[in-house]
Amino acid sequence: EAGVAQSPRYKIIEKRQSVAFWCNPISGHATLYWYQQILGQGPKLLIQFQNNGVVDDSQLPKDRFSAERLKGVDSTLKIQPAKLEDSAVYLCASSFKAGDSTGELFFGEGSRLTVL
Amino acid sequence: AQRVTQPEKLLSVFKGAPVELKCNYSYSGSPELFWYVQYSRQRLQLLLRHISRESIKGFTADLNKGETSFHLKKPFAQEEDSAMYYCALSGLGTYKYIFGTGTRLKVLA
Repeated sequence: EAGVAQSPRYKIIEKRQSVAFWCNPISGHATLYWYQQILGQGPKLLIQFQNNGVVDDSQLPKDRFSAERLKGVDSTLKIQPAKLEDSAVYLCASSFKAGDSTGELFFGEGSRLTVL
Repeated sequence: AQRVTQPEKLLSVFKGAPVELKCNYSYSGSPELFWYVQYSRQRLQLLLRHISRESIKGFTADLNKGETSFHLKKPFAQEEDSAMYYCALSGLGTYKYIFGTGTRLKVLA
């Protein structure tokens, strides 16, 4: 079974530029999460999708961050315009295949963003 | 407020010594607690969850609701246990996960 795929793995941009990250979850997983992990901190939830609907986006800075999950499969996270404090690893995770109640999150390798 | 606290950023132990990684939580409802691990150059992955009450790679963790703790323990540390460990909490049925800041475990030869 293929794992959660993310791209790009690394991105360097200047402040005020825009960037987009892509995530392809494990096949059949209904729930998809985007986490932001700043160096030295734990993952912080940005947004949670159930199929193609948003369950929780309370910690997403909506003035600059946006995310979508069209057709309930792949997802894109966009930052526009980027700030220095957005430098972090953006982790995508998926979970909850029908009939699976283990609660396990499956993570991608992450996309490391550096804003100069 | 929902919170997961891991007081130690770094824990160094010698091979064969016992290990205890501390995790305390704050949650008003019924929590589910997890330990996730990230080995060098690998993705974050589940180590164990309290509901399963299982031992994985020699690690165990017991949920203590009175002390609101979920400490991770292993009686004899191995060098391959060196990794970053994150404690995580989810409200039962919410599917929303909160992570602690993590503890880096270094097992010295």
